[in-house]
Amino acid sequence: SAVISQKPSRDICQRGTSLTIQCQVDSQVTMMFWYRQQPGQSLTLIATANQGSEATYESGFVIDKFPISRPNLTFSTLTVSNMSPEDSSIYLCSVDTAGTQYFGPGTRLLVL
Amino acid sequence: LAKTTQPISMDSYEGQEVNITCSHNNIATNDYITWYQQFPSQGPRFIIQGYKTKVTNEVASLFIPADRKSSTLSLPRVSLSDTAVYYCLVGGSVGGYNKLIFGAGTRLAVHP
Repeated sequence: SAVISQKPSRDICQRGTSLTIQCQVDSQVTMMFWYRQQPGQSLTLIATANQGSEATYESGFVIDKFPISRPNLTFSTLTVSNMSPEDSSIYLCSVDTAGTQYFGPGTRLLVL
Repeated sequence: LAKTTQPISMDSYEGQEVNITCSHNNIATNDYITWYQQFPSQGPRFIIQGYKTKVTNEVASLFIPADRKSSTLSLPRVSLSDTAVYYCLVGGSVGGYNKLIFGAGTRLAVHP
């Protein structure tokens, strides 16, 4: 398994600003994933981040809105840019370890 | 990627066995079946994963028929703390890792 931490755990932000969410894992992993979970909804995959290459985004998500960094095998960041109230969600990172995905605790974001 | 169908909600009582069935008619040959549990304000927690027949761990059992078009998560003797949303996923190996697409999940309520 993998132990994953995220920072911040929650934040309240003003519209038009940006927030960068950090994801740290306790072991080296090739693939990291970012998900969004809107209130009362299931998880939606935003993008897949492979170390050393640009992230691959799912339909409906673009790099300008959700830039991702993956500087090494244990860390990744997701930035939510130019936020609006519709971006209020829980953002989760996950890692694939031996074919099983493990999730971080999530970052709860409220945009006013 | 295979789509999954599972009941939206289920109710049970403490001490009972709960079986949640998931349909995945379009499962691919190399897909694994994975179940996650999610409590409010937490990231999904891995429960069990299997490919065929039966898998058992300290938490649950997973039954997969020969055609693999469905699977059943069995939770023995549930307690109030098992109240959560349970997600069934089939993972398509894309570039060597499992790309997981979440469905709506099953909201299990355990009553005293």
